[in-house]
Amino acid sequence: EPEVTQTPSHQVTQMGQEVILRCVPISNHLYFYWYRQILGQKVEFLVSFYNNEISEKSEIFDDQFSVERPDGSNFTLKIRSTKLEDSAMYFCASRGTGGTGELFFGEGSRLTVL
Amino acid sequence: AQSVTQLGSHVSVSEGALVLLRCNYSSSVPPYLFWYVQYPNQGLQLLLKYTTGATLVKGINGFEAEFKKSETSFHLTKPSAHMSDAAEYFCAVTVGSAGNMLTFGGGTRLMVKP
Repeated sequence: EPEVTQTPSHQVTQMGQEVILRCVPISNHLYFYWYRQILGQKVEFLVSFYNNEISEKSEIFDDQFSVERPDGSNFTLKIRSTKLEDSAMYFCASRGTGGTGELFFGEGSRLTVL
Repeated sequence: AQSVTQLGSHVSVSEGALVLLRCNYSSSVPPYLFWYVQYPNQGLQLLLKYTTGATLVKGINGFEAEFKKSETSFHLTKPSAHMSDAAEYFCAVTVGSAGNMLTFGGGTRLMVKP
């Protein structure tokens, strides 16, 4: 069964460092998403991406964040200068065309900022 | 804007007992509703969804949920809990057919006692 894969599963970084989280969405999907879940809190929407551009983003997704689809298979989330409060589980998701909005999620990348 | 409230961050049931996880939503337009499950150290997996049509929807692992517009609810039930059902359950809502932004509830951790 096709699945969304994310790397790394866990990354520890120092405050102020740049981090890139990688995702390989399901191959025929065209809509891509990043969500995050701070420990003990709800899953929050960060950004959606379609046709090589951001289609929607939340207040959380400020100038420190960026997304890219560099090669037609990977979908990356970059945090330019990490802060302590960026520590969270980051989930990538993808969706095909049509259907009823079902998102397929990866297993998440846990980011710890020290 | 839509929102989701899950009553009870933790629910504990005995094996074989009824499982009832509550979800209420707020939406100004007809919603699409989802339940996702998250097993330890895994991603979010779709349990079931309501889009249009029959208000009682059946999902995987014996779970079902009923969309009640008058109560703005989408509670998740299972007649008989199994130890393997222990996980975190998230209710989510989106509006329109795009499903661009899923809004999640805070999650309910289900514990199953032997």
